[in-house]
Amino acid sequence: QSALTQPASVSGSPGQSITISCTGTSSDVGGYIYVSWYQQHPGKAPKLMIYDVSNRPSGVSNRFSGSKSGNTASLTVSGLQAEDEADYYCSSYTSSSTNVFGTGTKVTVL
Amino acid sequence: QLQVQESGPGLVKPSETLSLTCTVSGGSISSTGNFWAWIRQPPGKGLEWIGSIYYTGNTYYNPSLKSRVTISVDTSKNQFSLRLSSVTAADTAVYYCAREISSRADSWGQGILVTVYS
Repeated sequence: QSALTQPASVSGSPGQSITISCTGTSSDVGGYIYVSWYQQHPGKAPKLMIYDVSNRPSGVSNRFSGSKSGNTASLTVSGLQAEDEADYYCSSYTSSSTNVFGTGTKVTVL
Repeated sequence: QLQVQESGPGLVKPSETLSLTCTVSGGSISSTGNFWAWIRQPPGKGLEWIGSIYYTGNTYYNPSLKSRVTISVDTSKNQFSLRLSSVTAADTAVYYCAREISSRADSWGQGILVTVYS
């Protein structure tokens, strides 16, 4: 299975909004609601930020939102803050009953 | 609060088998709907899903690793395990265990670095 495609890097100034895309196929992103997003700070384990395309776990800021159109899912971070600087990964369920991660995006707060 | 924790050797020789265990606390590994996964991350690289297991023993593996991976569960110990055979330097990574519900990994271990050295 091929990794989902994400931009290598995205940057924005404090207070701005950024959007990270995650492109797959009809056998993964396009075929299921089970798309998740994870935030990973250096040296730390990933943290679930969005699940089932657009749902936030308890405790995650409402500045994080998710959506999907066709084979592409997106994560939007609004009101960008210094603490949002991290790596972000998408993940999707697949038609093979497995999961696949995205290539990862480094978010830089300017 | 459910927690998972990886344990095992941090060094493995090439061609040998990597073996790790994940201990689940604060909840039962036999809870309905919970899957138990292994995920790895080579130094400086992205996440790779290795596979998962249900408490009944049903397993699901990444096709690219399937020939070398075995995931098993011990419900009496509230643990699940990973075995990866014929390792090479490319298998050097931080290995995470996690709980998955409906494909999302919501509880992660801190990770364990396994280095394949010659």
